[in-house]
Amino acid sequence: ETGVTQTPRHLVMGMTNKKSLKCEQHLGHNAMYWYKQSAKKPLELMFVYNFKEQTENNSVPSRFSPECPNSSHLFLHLHTLQPEDSALYLCASSPLDKNTEAFFGQGTRLTVV
Amino acid sequence: AQKITQTQPGMFVQEKEAVTLDCTYDTSDQSYGLFWYKQPSSGEMIFLIYQGSYDEQNATEGRYSLNFQKARKSANLVISASQLGDSAMYFCAMRERASGGSYIPTFGRGTSLIVHP
Repeated sequence: ETGVTQTPRHLVMGMTNKKSLKCEQHLGHNAMYWYKQSAKKPLELMFVYNFKEQTENNSVPSRFSPECPNSSHLFLHLHTLQPEDSALYLCASSPLDKNTEAFFGQGTRLTVV
Repeated sequence: AQKITQTQPGMFVQEKEAVTLDCTYDTSDQSYGLFWYKQPSSGEMIFLIYQGSYDEQNATEGRYSLNFQKARKSANLVISASQLGDSAMYFCAMRERASGGSYIPTFGRGTSLIVHP
C-alpha cells in the first residue's frame, strides 16, 4: 500500500461514454501526475499538477481532461475515447523535491470498446 | 532525446542467483536522483531504491543494491538471491526538469525479469 489510491481498478467503456478516473493521496504531497502505459510502450507522462496548478500537459488529446480540485485529489475525465486509448492509467504523487521518489497508485486498466 | 536507457528488454535468472539490470542516463544537472521501480503483473509501480548523485556510497535496500558509476552515468540494479516473486518489469527513473519548471519522474522502457525455479 503506497498511500495513493486509484478508482476504479478496471473500466470498460464505449467510445461515446463519459467516465472519470479518480486518484487520492493523503501523503501531504504537492505534486500529482497522470501517466499512460500502453502495451509494449514506455510510460508516457500526460499531466502534472503542482499545488493544484497544471504545470505540464504533454500534448494530450482534449478527450482527456484532468481536474485537480485540491492537492489530495486528481481526476481524469474521459469522453469520446478511441480503442487505442485502452491502457493502464497510473496516478502518482510526490513531494516537489527532485530527489524524492514518486508514489504510485495501483492503476486503472481501461478498455475502450 | 531519451534520458533513461535500459538496453535489456528481458532477462532470465535462476532462483537464488544474483542478477544485474542495466540503466544508463543522461543529464546536465549536477544534482539529481535515480530510482528503480518494480511493476508486477498487477500493475502497481513499487519503489525499490534511490541513489542521489552526491551519495558516495552505493545505495542498498535489503536484497537490492544500486551499482552507481557516476562518470559512466550508469545506475545498475543488482538483485541478490533472486526469488520467484521477483519476476516483474523493472524500471529505472530519474526526475528531470521539464519545460514548466517541474521535476518530473522520467522512466526507461523497462526490463522484464523472469526468475526460473
